[in-house]
Amino acid sequence: SQQGEEDPQALSIQEGENATMNCSYKTSINNLQWYRQNSGRGLVHLILIRSNEREKHSGRLRVTLDTSKKSSSLLITASRAADTASYFCATDKETSGSRLTFGEGTQLTVNP
Amino acid sequence: KAGVTQTPRYLIKTRGQQVTLSCSPISGHRSVSWYQQTPGQGLQFLFEYFSETQRNKGNFPGRFSGRQFSNSRSEMNVSTLELGDSALYLCASSLHGLAGAYEQYFGPGTRLTVT
Repeated sequence: SQQGEEDPQALSIQEGENATMNCSYKTSINNLQWYRQNSGRGLVHLILIRSNEREKHSGRLRVTLDTSKKSSSLLITASRAADTASYFCATDKETSGSRLTFGEGTQLTVNP
Repeated sequence: KAGVTQTPRYLIKTRGQQVTLSCSPISGHRSVSWYQQTPGQGLQFLFEYFSETQRNKGNFPGRFSGRQFSNSRSEMNVSTLELGDSALYLCASSLHGLAGAYEQYFGPGTRLTVT
């Protein structure tokens, strides 16, 4: 079963706008990662945030983590058409550090 | 450095047959994980190997098996294929053994279709 749930399931925005995706999970975690997948291809790692961190930035990406609410958000600023992809959060449970559990993903469409 | 490679990229098999998929990790990476991706179930963890040892296994039937060789290359095998095994099979490698603690590098996947 999926550890995480992401919302929205689909998001459509215009180029230049910001996109925010949310991820919720059920059990305590060590780390949370975000990945991007372009149309049925392999996943590309975006950012990793550890359970003792609250916010992390990488370029146009900002990730927040609220362990008390068991949730995370991914913000993409000034989006581009090339950001069109599916975005997944992935967690590793405290008791199973060698396995990633993925959320259902958010399909982001950035219209030019 | 070359990325993670998976072979074959596409495969069509008939119910009841078996299939072997191959994954070559990034040079120097000792951890290889396998995931199954389907529209209905999403991304699901199959197993993880580190230094030729299976460290973790997902909730899949025994028809799904894998192994890792001394050069870190990994294979997964699915026997007695069922229609529901049709999926994108993704392999990921990591320098270290804890998949959650480190960036995973994914291959392009093998698209398996069972007819």
